[in-house]
Amino acid sequence: AQSVTQLGSHVSVSEGALVLLRCNYSSSVPPYLFWYVQYPNQGLQLLLKYTTGATLVKGINGFEAEFKKSETSFHLTKPSAHMSDAAEYFCAVSEGAGANNLFFGTGTRLTVIP
Amino acid sequence: KAGVTQTPRYLIKTRGQQVTLSCSPISGHRSVSWYQQTPGQGLQFLFEYFSETQRNKGNFPGRFSGRQFSNSRSEMNVSTLELGDSALYLCASSLGGGMGEQFFGPGTRLTVL
Repeated sequence: AQSVTQLGSHVSVSEGALVLLRCNYSSSVPPYLFWYVQYPNQGLQLLLKYTTGATLVKGINGFEAEFKKSETSFHLTKPSAHMSDAAEYFCAVSEGAGANNLFFGTGTRLTVIP
Repeated sequence: KAGVTQTPRYLIKTRGQQVTLSCSPISGHRSVSWYQQTPGQGLQFLFEYFSETQRNKGNFPGRFSGRQFSNSRSEMNVSTLELGDSALYLCASSLGGGMGEQFFGPGTRLTVL
């Protein structure tokens, strides 16, 4: 069974500071991993994904994440926070190829302090 | 290319009623998945349709059902509404190859009074 744990339901950073959002997963099969962002009153937008291959994946808006199998982690980072990054972020796992059902974490609300 | 559209965007119903939500996927996408988002339970997978067939189903009661049409548009229906069904219902479309890259619509906000 697949599950996702996001540590920290709320994270605050100063503008220009490093953003680190934590995600740990549990999967009985090699996972596909995703980070989505949700702005108020909107749907989810894909930031980045890991399926196979390079474990450091780069996404949109300067975000990146590293898949660490030994730690079952897929933490999201951005070197310098911008005010527009304030949103809710969701980590998700799927069962791999052929599966279109995502298991989401509970989300982390990112606040950026000017 | 137009994104995923969902109608209506907002809906208010009373307990015991039924409701139908609609989702139009991105052109060319054959898979449509539905998710329920609530403050308490977060984002939960309801079901996925691919080529008019339900391919995956989450852990929801039978009051929740769906279908997909030949043009890939999908509807979900909730019968005998309960207060706990109040949620944001999100639809996501994908090509269907199972790579998991899904494109989400803005959602339908359902309020059950």
